[in-house]
Amino acid sequence: AQTVTQSQPEMSVQEAETVTLSCTYDTSESDYYLFWYKQPPSRQMILVIRQEAYKQQNATENRFSVNFQKAAKSFSLKISDSQLGDAAMYFCAYRSASGGGADGLTFGKGTHLIIQP
Amino acid sequence: ETGVTQTPRHLVMGMTNKKSLKCEQHLGHNAMYWYKQSAKKPLELMFVYNFKEQTENNSVPSRFSPECPNSSHLFLHLHTLQPEDSALYLCASSQVKGWETQYFGPGTRLLVL
Repeated sequence: AQTVTQSQPEMSVQEAETVTLSCTYDTSESDYYLFWYKQPPSRQMILVIRQEAYKQQNATENRFSVNFQKAAKSFSLKISDSQLGDAAMYFCAYRSASGGGADGLTFGKGTHLIIQP
Repeated sequence: ETGVTQTPRHLVMGMTNKKSLKCEQHLGHNAMYWYKQSAKKPLELMFVYNFKEQTENNSVPSRFSPECPNSSHLFLHLHTLQPEDSALYLCASSQVKGWETQYFGPGTRLLVL
């Protein structure tokens, strides 16, 4: 079974600064997908960014980028120019590529990100 | 309505009650999922439906009974629940191809007394 570990229960960053959230995972599979989701106080889970394991290039979405290290099984999220609206719980998630497309996500416990004005 | 909707948003029930949670997706997806989010545990996958067929039951107790009448609707029938079943229940949907993103509903906050 796959596991996802987020070792930082809470992180705090000044507005406009950069912050990196850590995620490691354990799997015996070679092909899979990784995701970062954001859950603001409204509880709505929102996709932030995703990465296919076979792609070496790190994914980027505007101010959000990842550092994907497949050999180390590490998938960190970097948020640049942090904004007050970035305050939320951030979840790292893993999905197998072997199940034909309708596989559930395995989530980490989450990191609570606080943005200091 | 757009995206994934869930009703009710909040539910309080006694341990002897029977209730149902409803999820509807307006995205044309063909896979739907139930997740449970408890206060001190990671989000847990409960059930997966692929083209209306249940493809995964993640060792969920039988007091939770899912139903997927079509690709757009998903229900979670609840009966004789325990207080430890109190949680946020999230529904999600996705396409069944490649690495399609799962889109989540706003959740139903359930309290079992």
